[in-house]
Order: sequence, then C-alpha cells, then structure tokens
Amino acid sequence: ETGVTQSPTHLIKTRGQQVTLRCSSQSGHNTVSWYQQALGQGPQFIFQYYREEENGRGNFPPRFSGLQFPNYSSELNVNALELDDSALYLCASSFSPWTGAINQPQHFGDGTRLSIL
Amino acid sequence: AQSVSQHNHHVILSEAASLELGCNYSYGGTVNLFWYVQYPGQHLQLLLKYFSGDPLVKGIKGFEAEFIKSKFSFNLRKPSVQWSDTAEYFCAVMSPGSGGYQKVTFGIGTKLQVIP
Repeated sequence: ETGVTQSPTHLIKTRGQQVTLRCSSQSGHNTVSWYQQALGQGPQFIFQYYREEENGRGNFPPRFSGLQFPNYSSELNVNALELDDSALYLCASSFSPWTGAINQPQHFGDGTRLSIL
Repeated sequence: AQSVSQHNHHVILSEAASLELGCNYSYGGTVNLFWYVQYPGQHLQLLLKYFSGDPLVKGIKGFEAEFIKSKFSFNLRKPSVQWSDTAEYFCAVMSPGSGGYQKVTFGIGTKLQVIP
C-alpha cells in the first residue's frame, strides 16, 4: 500500500475553470513532485517542492502552480483550464537529505484523473 | 536536453517466454536509473533502481536490469514471464536539475501483455 495519497480520484471541469488537486506525502518524505500523464504517454514533470519551496519546474505555463505545506503535503493548482489539460495527475514524494539529492527514489500516489469538457 | 527512449511500445509474450525491454537515455552526467511498473488500475511502483556499483541490478518479482554506460542503456530483463506481469513498464532517469532539484524524465512506457 502506497503512503502517498491523492484527492480527489476523479474530477470533471469545463474550460476556463480552476482546479486544485491535493497530495499527502509519505511519512518522512520532504520532497513532492507533480507529473502530468496524458493518455498513452509517460509522466511529464510539472514541478517539485522541497521544504515548502519550488526548486524545479518543467515546461508548463505559469497557470500551473503549487504549494507545499509545513507537513509536506502539497497542492497543484491549474487556472484557466484547457481541453489539453485532461490527463492523470500524479504526485510523488521522496526524502532528500539535501536539495537536489538524486539518490532517492520517488513513491507515487494513485493519481487524480482530470477531465475537461 | 535529457530524454529517455523506450523502443518497444507494446509487447506480447506467452507465459514462460523471456523478456527484454529496451531503454536508452541521453544525458552526459551522473544519472540514477529506475524502472517503474504500473499494473492495471494501480499506481506506479518502483521495480528496481541503479545508483552506483554493480551495473547489474536485481529488483522485485525476478526482474533485473543492466546499466551499460557506454551505450547509455538500462534494459529490463526477466528470464520467464508470468501472466501477472501484464502491466505497463516505464524507464526513468534522474539527474540534478538546475537550481537543485531531482530532475526525472520518463520514457513513453511499454505495455506488456502476457498470454497464458
């Protein structure tokens, strides 16, 4: 059983709306990454939070934003939703002893399936 | 830019057949390599990882992978597949991102279907 939990499981929105997705990281983890997985594709990196600060971002526009809280849980916010935002959004947590440590595997949640009508 | 290529997008095997899934990456510096598996209706699970040392790494459920630095490859193997191995397999590369983050790039994934 994974220690990373995401909510909600499924969500349906219309174009132009805003959405907030939530993630509780695994106990002891201080780093959270968010990914977008479109149908038939591998996960694409959106951004990463380490100790409440964004420390890395992929090729996603500013309308994708996030937060990490003191308990290391995290939110992904998407404004002005577009049809192409329809995807599975994955949260992954890990423990990093220092920023940028790359020897720590990430543990994934079940994801939130977002559908834009 | 860092990239990961998985050459086989859909593989169909009979039970007891041997499996090898290809993965090549492009990045010149230090990387850590992973294979994740996603069983139908489940989340991504870590199958195995390579950080350093012995380039032949063993993972769960009888899987292994070999890191060949000169070929930038990290192929996944299993001598004898089972029906329960039916899943999607993702190769991933982690490297240090600018600004100090874990930059993880995934391949497109390979869907493995094992026929009883």
